[in-house]
Amino acid sequence: DSGVTQTPKHLITATGQRVTLRCSPRSGDLSVYWYQQSLDQGLQFLIQYYNGEERAKGNILERFSAQQFPDLHSELNLSSLELGDSALYFCASSYGQGNEKLFFGSGTQLSVL
Amino acid sequence: DAKTTQPPSMDCAEGRAANLPCNHSTISGNEYVYWYRQIHSQGPQYIIHGLKNNETNEMASLIITEDRKSSTLILPHATLRDTAVYYCIVRVGGYGQNFVFGPGTRLSVLP
Repeated sequence: DSGVTQTPKHLITATGQRVTLRCSPRSGDLSVYWYQQSLDQGLQFLIQYYNGEERAKGNILERFSAQQFPDLHSELNLSSLELGDSALYFCASSYGQGNEKLFFGSGTQLSVL
Repeated sequence: DAKTTQPPSMDCAEGRAANLPCNHSTISGNEYVYWYRQIHSQGPQYIIHGLKNNETNEMASLIITEDRKSSTLILPHATLRDTAVYYCIVRVGGYGQNFVFGPGTRLSVLP
């Protein structure tokens, strides 16, 4: 158990819909990272937050947005969903924003039908 | 883009050492070498990291060549539970420098 909690574990929805994925970082960790893993793209970095502020952006679509709240949990919002958005979405956390290891949650499996 | 090259797959006999190579010939002086693994569809798990010295922890050893252009992750006594995809990543410390995962090496530990 990494200490990072992601909910829900599975999500099935239809094209055009909007969903919210939630992540609670390890106790004491200030950084939250979101990754997407699909069969053809591998693990892709989406976005990082540190203590409530966006710190780095990767290959995140404009239809996707995220935020980190004062209690440090984070939410990833996916809207206007397409079939290609079906993937495993991982959240990871770390204490700082520099050179330390990431702890990953067990992921949310999103299926867009 | 990932800055590392790894073999797509390897096999190892249970109980033997698993040696996973990684080429990072364009690594810069301030880039660290990290290793993570992903068992089935679980979240990636940190294994070890280093800058230029060899490192060892309870999970594995990391051997980095003197010119830092390649490294080897060693699992000293592989078990069936070590079957996973192993990712070698080079990364500069500091925010905004995030982990870029390549395709990794799929290690199969055979009974």
